[in-house]
Amino acid sequence: AQKITQTQPGMFVQEKEAVTLDCTYDTSDQSYGLFWYKQPSSGEMIFLIYQGSYDEQNATEGRYSLNFQKARKSANLVISASQLGDSAMYFCAMISPRDSSYKLIFGSGTRLLVRP
Amino acid sequence: ETGVTQSPTHLIKTRGQQVTLRCSSQSGHNTVSWYQQALGQGPQFIFQYYREEENGRGNFPPRFSGLQFPNYSSELNVNALELDDSALYLCASSVGTSGGDTQYFGPGTRLTVL
Repeated sequence: AQKITQTQPGMFVQEKEAVTLDCTYDTSDQSYGLFWYKQPSSGEMIFLIYQGSYDEQNATEGRYSLNFQKARKSANLVISASQLGDSAMYFCAMISPRDSSYKLIFGSGTRLLVRP
Repeated sequence: ETGVTQSPTHLIKTRGQQVTLRCSSQSGHNTVSWYQQALGQGPQFIFQYYREEENGRGNFPPRFSGLQFPNYSSELNVNALELDDSALYLCASSVGTSGGDTQYFGPGTRLTVL
């Protein structure tokens, strides 16, 4: 079965430091996509970064990078130079062509708190 | 470019009632997916609509139903509400249905069932 595991319920980081949020996934598919979303207390899911299973380079988007280790089935999010506004829930999600809907399968999330 | 919008923002209903939630997709997007997020959990896929047809469904009972309109906006209807239906309902739109098409979410509708 396809599954996303986020083992860190909560994380603290000092402002301006880097932080890594862990994500492991389980799938038998060869083709799949991995996403990270940020959810502030307002509730909206904000897309951060995407990594395709065949992408050879790790994805980067500004201060966000995805450390993709295919053999380990991990897709960790690295946030560099943390800001107070980064405090939020972060969800790792996977999509795969199991059916025509390409539904997102989410992990349980990690709550990140940035300390001033 | 207008993002995904949802209405209402909050809703309070009682058990047994029916509710309709609305979603307007982002400009140029023809696919809408609905998710339910219970407190403290990740979102769970309810169903997806592509060009006005249901295009996949998660593990939700038939009392969860939906529609997509020609302008690609969508509705989620829930009949015979139960206490466990209390959750944040998120709508996401995408350009298409392929695996690389990013789903962009709206702000959600928070439903409370008393």
